[in-house]
Amino acid sequence: QSALTQPASVSGSPGQSIIISCTGTSSDVGGYDHVSWYQHEPGKAPRLMIYDVSIRPSGVPNRFSGSKSGNTASLTISGLQTEDEGDFYCNSYTSRGTYVFGTGTKVTVL
Amino acid sequence: QVQLEQSGAEVKKPGASVRVSCKASGYTFTSQHIHWVRQAPGQGLEWMAILTYDGGRRFYAQRFQGRLTMTRDTSTRTHYLELRSLSSEDTAVYFCVSETPDAYFFDYWGQGTPVTVSS
Repeated sequence: QSALTQPASVSGSPGQSIIISCTGTSSDVGGYDHVSWYQHEPGKAPRLMIYDVSIRPSGVPNRFSGSKSGNTASLTISGLQTEDEGDFYCNSYTSRGTYVFGTGTKVTVL
Repeated sequence: QVQLEQSGAEVKKPGASVRVSCKASGYTFTSQHIHWVRQAPGQGLEWMAILTYDGGRRFYAQRFQGRLTMTRDTSTRTHYLELRSLSSEDTAVYFCVSETPDAYFFDYWGQGTPVTVSS
């Protein structure tokens, strides 16, 4: 099972919108609506930002949103803020009953 | 409050085995799936395996098939990960993570256990 493909880095100015893509196959991202997104800062536990493609847990700002088309899921951060810097990972359930993470994207606020 | 308390750092030689523990509290022990995830230095998160809430099923990432074992002790509320035939590529921080059944996302994370494999 290969890691899902994410861009290595995405950057934007405060207030701008950015999109992080997460590309898999029909056996994972494309086959199930069980895609989740995590923000990971060094030394901390990853934080759940989105689950089931587009559902935002309580406490997550509404500037974070998720979507999916075919084998590609996307995380959009609208109105980028400095505290949004960090590494973001997608994750998907797979047809083998396993899970797979994306390669990770470093978000930089310019 | 769910808490997952992991064992301390380990240093192992190539070819050896390591066992990492994860003591759970704050929830009914047999109500949560437990996953193991690792992160090698400078690398991304890597999903390794899941033990279902009832202890009945295990699923492994293909690359760990045959050298990874997950067990649990319900009397001490502790999960265990054993990884055998270690190489330098297994140097990483290992996390135990809980999942509410049928949620398909990761709820609570342990603090991580650094494992260093070096001769």
